[in-house]
Amino acid sequence: QKEVEQNSGPLSVPEGAIASLNCTYSDRGSQSFFWYRQYSGKSPELIMFIYSNGDKEDGRFTAQLNKASQYVSLLIRDSQPSDSATYLCAVGNNNDMRFGAGTRLTVKP
Amino acid sequence: DTAVSQTPKYLVTQMGNDKSIKCEQNLGHDTMYWYKQDSKKFLKIMFSYNNKELIINETVPNRFSPKSPDKAHLNLHINSLELGDSAVYFCASSQGLPGSYEQYFGPGTRLTVT
Repeated sequence: QKEVEQNSGPLSVPEGAIASLNCTYSDRGSQSFFWYRQYSGKSPELIMFIYSNGDKEDGRFTAQLNKASQYVSLLIRDSQPSDSATYLCAVGNNNDMRFGAGTRLTVKP
Repeated sequence: DTAVSQTPKYLVTQMGNDKSIKCEQNLGHDTMYWYKQDSKKFLKIMFSYNNKELIINETVPNRFSPKSPDKAHLNLHINSLELGDSAVYFCASSQGLPGSYEQYFGPGTRLTVT
């Protein structure tokens, strides 16, 4: 059973801080990694994807991938109250995509 | 213009009824999906079609039957609805095969079975 694990949270950070969201996966052959944000009552929306080891930055968001450790993370710099949402990690391989259960992030003003 | 659309947005029905949810994407994508998100917010894939062919068929009751008339449309028919079917159902699409491309989600259909 291919698994994607996330800490369900809630993770609470003050406004302006760095939020760090983590995800581990069990399938060592996984090739693509995605972070989605889901506001309450809304559909998931893509934030970032990463395929290679290392860091990938997009504005305030940085995705980090370490395939040897089977670990992918999302850093949100200068967190804003509008970042409060559930963040879903998704891992893909061989015509399959699995989602984690999500981490609920709350950014307090 | 909405990229992935679903109808209806809300569906309230009684146990034992049969209902359908429709999905359309105008992104020109080859692959479409149905997901179920339960009250605990876990997003579980149910089915996936690539160019009208079923490629992912997870372990779901056979009361659920997907149908893809063309690659821009994927419908979900549910027979003999049960209380446990209450959930939000999301349609999604991607440019290519699952696992390789990001997915774009529709707004969801909130199904309530009473």
